[in-house]
Amino acid sequence: DAMVIQNPRYQVTQFGKPVTLSCSQTLNHNVMYWYQQKSSQAPKLLFHYYDKDFNNEADTPDNFQSRRPNTSFCFLDIRSPGLGDAAMYLCATSYSSASSYEQYFGPGTRLTVT
Amino acid sequence: AQSVAQPEDQVNVAEGNPLTVKCTYSVSGNPYLFWYVQYPNRGLQFLLKYITGDNLVKGSYGFEAEFNKSQTSFHLKKPSALVSDSALYFCAVRDTNAGKSTFGDGTTLTVKP
Repeated sequence: DAMVIQNPRYQVTQFGKPVTLSCSQTLNHNVMYWYQQKSSQAPKLLFHYYDKDFNNEADTPDNFQSRRPNTSFCFLDIRSPGLGDAAMYLCATSYSSASSYEQYFGPGTRLTVT
Repeated sequence: AQSVAQPEDQVNVAEGNPLTVKCTYSVSGNPYLFWYVQYPNRGLQFLLKYITGDNLVKGSYGFEAEFNKSQTSFHLKKPSALVSDSALYFCAVRDTNAGKSTFGDGTTLTVKP
């Protein structure tokens, strides 16, 4: 089945220790998103890729970066995690067309910072 | 600018009764509207969308939603609730001129046996 896969599902890192979260998709969608979600709140968009074009949200901290080496994969790098970065990180994809735009989400990676 | 409001943090219904989860939106252009459901410790799952056409749209698991342009609303409905419908529901809007969607704060639906 076509899907969005996130690894790992649970990640524990130490304060200030860099961490990378990964996302892959078999849907062949051209848009990929990274969201941060805390405590059942609304997902907060960090950035998204429209094909290879990177779009950063104005309030996304510089501590968060992303890479999309090809259509299928996208990575979220947190350079120096703080306690406030503990959250669920959601990857999503969509196909940009006039009749589409719905997003397909992965299961998420729950990040704990100790 | 685009925004979406879910006025109820929590909705409680009895199994077998109809349910409604409310959503209102604001966009400058024409809206694309979506509903998503999230079960505990899972990602969001797409339920249904309104892009154009019939104001009543049907989606997964027996859910439907009605687009009302004059009231700028897109309420989620189901004729007969199941206990398994208990989850967190998000409404989202995307302006036709925007590059991204905006999510509401979510409504927790609890269906009691």
